[in-house]
Amino acid sequence: SQTIHQWPATLVQPVGSPLSLECTVEGTSNPNLYWYRQAAGRGLQLLFYSVGIGQISSEVPQNLSASRPQDRQFILSSKKLLLSDSGFYLCAWSSKGSGNTIYFGEGSWLTVV
Amino acid sequence: SQQGEEDPQALSIQEGENATMNCSYKTSINNLQWYRQNSGRGLVHLILIRSNEREKHSGRLRVTLDTSKKSSSLLITASRAADTASYFCATDVGSNYQLIWGAGTKLIIKP
Repeated sequence: SQTIHQWPATLVQPVGSPLSLECTVEGTSNPNLYWYRQAAGRGLQLLFYSVGIGQISSEVPQNLSASRPQDRQFILSSKKLLLSDSGFYLCAWSSKGSGNTIYFGEGSWLTVV
Repeated sequence: SQQGEEDPQALSIQEGENATMNCSYKTSINNLQWYRQNSGRGLVHLILIRSNEREKHSGRLRVTLDTSKKSSSLLITASRAADTASYFCATDVGSNYQLIWGAGTKLIIKP
């Protein structure tokens, strides 16, 4: 069966510090991978998606970036965090083909102070 | 941009009652999906209904889709305390492997 792991679960970072959130998927190959952000009590905002290694599409211009160094690894990064980067970050995957079910990780709570 | 809009934003009912949540969208879709999110956790897929389907069941869940009105409803029958969560609809409009998400309905089941 497929599983998705995302870490760290929570982190508190000072403004201007770097960020690295990691996500790995097991039990499937060549998945579509996604990073979402969710503000408190709000819906999901798609930040990045990837259909293959090294292929990253950005949906929202910001100081975040994503990378996919391996087929089932997706990393969300920032060189300098802003207060507005605080939120709940969710990694997710789906099988190839639009409209398939999306499977989410447990999320990472980021507080920028 | 948000396509789906859930209604109501919040719903509080007694355990055992039925809960109905609605989702409206703006453009043509391939399918519509409902997800549940427990507080502070990731989302879990509940059910997918395709644009050529009108109704679908899964356990205590019933989803309807009216493409002429561009709306869907999620009915949870005989609610339980464990159903307390936020419920999101998401639409597949066939572009860029994305789903378009609504802001969610927060459901509280009172014991």
